[in-house]
Amino acid sequence: GQSLEQPSEVTAVEGAIVQINCTYQTSGFYGLSWYQQHDGGAPTFLSYNALDGLEETGRFSSFLSRSDSYGYLLLQELQMKDSASYFCAVRSSNSNSGYALNFGKGTSLLVTP
Amino acid sequence: DSGVTQTPKHLITATGQRVTLRCSPRSGDLSVYWYQQSLDQGLQFLIQYYNGEERAKGNILERFSAQQFPDLHSELNLSSLELGDSALYFCASSVQGAPSPSGANVLTFGAGSRLTVL
Repeated sequence: GQSLEQPSEVTAVEGAIVQINCTYQTSGFYGLSWYQQHDGGAPTFLSYNALDGLEETGRFSSFLSRSDSYGYLLLQELQMKDSASYFCAVRSSNSNSGYALNFGKGTSLLVTP
Repeated sequence: DSGVTQTPKHLITATGQRVTLRCSPRSGDLSVYWYQQSLDQGLQFLIQYYNGEERAKGNILERFSAQQFPDLHSELNLSSLELGDSALYFCASSVQGAPSPSGANVLTFGAGSRLTVL
């Protein structure tokens, strides 16, 4: 089967650093993606890792270890606007010839003053 | 504005009824995906179309069906509605239809259609 595990909630203080972990189990790995969703809004793409290591995009970084089937999203210099849900995603095992993404249940990040 | 247009934004209907949700993908995108997001649930993949053909199927109920038309817009039909079908339905689009060496399949999501079944 296929599974993605991530913490349901994380709370952090404005200006701090927070790490959101994701462990996955899948066949035919095609990389790990991260999406952000503000309450009731459309999910938006943040980051993608196909190879081991760290990818940095501004205040956000994402890490992947394929041997451990593990990745994380690192958010630095947290701002109030970063309060949102964060989803990790892998290619769905139901993709057949397609490229659908299966998402984890999401981590709700609350940034406090 | 993401470029993916979904209508209607809100829909309230009764159990047993049938509704159609519509999606226009971003210009240049050939793939369309449908996702269901219930309260406190993650994004559940329903189905993917690429240039009019079904490419992937997730946990889509038999009461649900979808299609992609020659102009690339897509419709999701939900029939014999039940209370549990109340959810936010997202459409997403992408350029890719299948894995490629270029890497990430970046999905661009629409604003969603909120369905309430009473």
